Amino acid sequence: GDSVTQMEGPVTLSEEAFLTINCTYTATGYPSLFWYVQYPGEGLQLLLKATKADDKGSNKGFEATYRKETTSFHLEKGSVQVSDSAVYFCALRGKDGGSQGNLIFGKGTKLSVKP
Amino acid sequence: GAGVSQSPSNKVTEKGKDVELRCDPISGHTALYWYRQSLGQGLEFLIYFQGNSAPDKSGLPSDRFSAERTGGSVSTLTIQRTQQEDSAVYLCASSSTRTTYEQYFGPGTRLTVT
Repeated sequence: GDSVTQMEGPVTLSEEAFLTINCTYTATGYPSLFWYVQYPGEGLQLLLKATKADDKGSNKGFEATYRKETTSFHLEKGSVQVSDSAVYFCALRGKDGGSQGNLIFGKGTKLSVKP
Repeated sequence: GAGVSQSPSNKVTEKGKDVELRCDPISGHTALYWYRQSLGQGLEFLIYFQGNSAPDKSGLPSDRFSAERTGGSVSTLTIQRTQQEDSAVYLCASSSTRTTYEQYFGPGTRLTVT
């Protein structure tokens, strides 16, 4: 079945460092891909998405590009801030699930940014 | 507007008891999802309601778990004869046909089975 694998954390960076969180997936067809973020004490929020190959999702300085050839959707940010400290989840929705099917999540990567 | 709300925020119950968890989706959202977040298993899909269609129950871990959605709005997740492995945060999400691909999550219910 469909699955998502993301790098295990925790990841600790200094402020203004470059961030990469790797995410790869296994799915039939061409799923839609997402990054969700969970800030301490808060619920899950959609950070960015890409619905077809070569799409780049971006939001709040974060970017991820849908790479069909490597089945990847790595999250990047050029200069992290303390406020980016959170748990990041990579997720996919298979095409069989339609535009409103359930999400399949990776296990999450905890990011801590130190001042 | 109001987001997805869930109640209770925390629930402690004894092993063997039944529990009910409630979700109020965003008004007008036709799709409603239940997920479970636990340390060992990460985020798992449980069940999905779409309008008046039969729910997708493929993620329910056992027949002790069931869910209803009344009037196309509020949903209740029921766990019968709770076990310690049911301890987790239960998350509800909703989405609409106008914002396809984006699911809005509630704050979750933390269930602890003692």
